[in-house]
Amino acid sequence: GAGVSQSPSNKVTEKGKDVELRCDPISGHTALYWYRQSLGQGLEFLIYFQGNSAPDKSGLPSDRFSAERTGGSVSTLTIQRTQQEDSAVYLCASSFRNTIYFGEGSWLTVV
Amino acid sequence: GQNIDQPTEMTATEGAIVQINCTYQTSGFNGLFWYQQHAGEAPTFLSYNVLDGLEEKGRFSSFLSRSKGYSYLLLKELQMKDSASYLCAVMDSNYQLIWGAGTKLIIKP
Repeated sequence: GAGVSQSPSNKVTEKGKDVELRCDPISGHTALYWYRQSLGQGLEFLIYFQGNSAPDKSGLPSDRFSAERTGGSVSTLTIQRTQQEDSAVYLCASSFRNTIYFGEGSWLTVV
Repeated sequence: GQNIDQPTEMTATEGAIVQINCTYQTSGFNGLFWYQQHAGEAPTFLSYNVLDGLEEKGRFSSFLSRSKGYSYLLLKELQMKDSASYLCAVMDSNYQLIWGAGTKLIIKP
């Protein structure tokens, strides 16, 4: 596709369930970022993948959060045993050189 | 530590000009980005500066001074649709993005 694609666009889940969020970056983009944004707040960095280098996981808020990027392309963010405070929009972005493009986000609501 | 500072909120009048400032302290510098984010939507790219000076793109211009750790986004001929949050981000020496909290711009008729 032409842009960064994220799925699902909306997800309502029960507290304690696991969720998987998917990001399809722009083809050829070597860098991929995951951010979280709560309503009215700034972007919270979660994890950064760059090519074949070890990912920067310093932003993951707890061990319930994990992410992988297969084949240098598609990435999956997994949240285990979801909590209500995990409710937010999860934004994926990919970049090549000087421009970072965001997907439309996955809006997660934990009830 | 690394930080980006920008005003929390600004108000301007339709048709006027507004300047949104951003100051930064980061470990290295590989460029500064401005993004626009409307409520409920993902951020969209506005500009990228890596050299000192002014970059003009239609009604929007972005300025950078690396020696001062300072940038601004200038919006001219403001329209109601420009009401949004404006995010400043710096790419550090590890090509990691450091984000400001965003400036909420309110346009009044």
